[in-house]
Formats: sequence, C-alpha cells, structure tokens
Amino acid sequence: QITLKESGPTLVRPTQTLTLTCTFSGFSLGTGGVGVGWVRQSPGKALEWLALIFWNDDRRYSPSLKSRLSITKDTSKSQVVLTMTNMDPVDTATYFCARESNCGGDCYSADFWGQGILVTVSS
Amino acid sequence: DIVMTQTPLSSPVTLGQPASISCRSSQSLVHTDGNSYLNWLQQRPGQPPRLLIYQISKRFSGVPDRFSGSGAGTDFTLKISRVEAEDVGVYYCMQTTQFPRTFGQGTKVEIK
Repeated sequence: QITLKESGPTLVRPTQTLTLTCTFSGFSLGTGGVGVGWVRQSPGKALEWLALIFWNDDRRYSPSLKSRLSITKDTSKSQVVLTMTNMDPVDTATYFCARESNCGGDCYSADFWGQGILVTVSS
Repeated sequence: DIVMTQTPLSSPVTLGQPASISCRSSQSLVHTDGNSYLNWLQQRPGQPPRLLIYQISKRFSGVPDRFSGSGAGTDFTLKISRVEAEDVGVYYCMQTTQFPRTFGQGTKVEIK
C-alpha cells in the first residue's frame, strides 16, 4: 500500500522559511522511474505545481518560484523535504506531496497523493 | 510554460446523465517520444486530488469505466457516461509532457 504524508508547521510568519517533509511508504525513491513532488492549492483555488525530485536526484522547479525553493530527498528515511524561503501571506495554501511514477517510456503520472497540510502565513 | 484551459468551469448535471469536460493546451502535448501525457484528476470536497486518467485515455487502477478520456495534440476531453453522486467535485487536467507541470483551472461538477 502506497501512502504519503506531509508534515511541518501550520503557521509561518512572513519572511520566514517554510520546511515541509513528505514521508512515504510502499515504494522507494531508490527505484528507477519514481519521483516525489509538491503541489499547492490556495484556498478555493486551482492546483499549482512547485517542484519534483527523481530517484536519480534530478530536480525540477517551477520557474516562477525557483529562487525560493529547494527540494531534497533522504532515500533511507523515505522522505522528501521542500523548503521555501521568504514566505508571504499569498503563500497560504494546502501543500500536497505526490508521487510521480513511470507509466511506460517517458510517461509519468502523479498517481498517489498525500492528504495535504494547510500552511498559513500570518504575523 | 504550457497553459491549460478547461471548459466549462462549472457543470451542473442530473444524476445518471453524462458530463463532459474539455481541456485545451497552449501548445502540443506530443512528447519527443510521440506520446501525449495528459492526465485527469478528481478532487472531491475536502480531499486530495486523485488520478483518474493518464496518457489521455488510460484509466488508473480502480477507476470506474464510466470515466473515459480522449483527444490529441492540444484538445482533450474527459467524459463521465452516467454521473453518480460520488462524482461531485472538481476535475483538473494536468500535463506531464514537460516541465513545469501545469494544471487547468478546474471544472466543478455538481448535481442539479
């Protein structure tokens, strides 16, 4: 059974750095063809893709947020960590982690998602 | 970035009737390998997104066969053959052909 769970602070002050951890089970990031990424959703809004890290340490970022984001993995702990610097109230959102897995050739799909964590940015 | 545009944004449907959602991409989703990586996700109220369809038309494990996907190039469609109460939620298209991944604005399916 594949599960992912997000953890981290639910309240962050403006200008602070947010650190979120995705802890997963049922698969390994040491296996080829697997990645874990982050997506956020502001209240009542659409999904926004943030970042993804693959089994081979290939990292991809949203161009608009790249300067503020960092994604890392700890394969032995089955964890992926996202840091976002200089938080602002507009960054208030539910943050989801999701697995992307290979569905054949160059096909990747976001097939399993965590429940999400609501992060509020406020002074 | 590839911009994904969904229509309609809201779709009131009678139980047992079909529903259809369109998704258009600002550029072709055909990958260098010749395939198009267009996905459909369902987000029920208060729940995380759930993968329904990948690679335009392939149903993910456990997805009922009343859900089907079609399309090519820049135009794609999700159809629900007979809407059930549990289908209420917001549906998103998502492209995984290139980075950054991008989503449509979402289409809210509700019961009339």
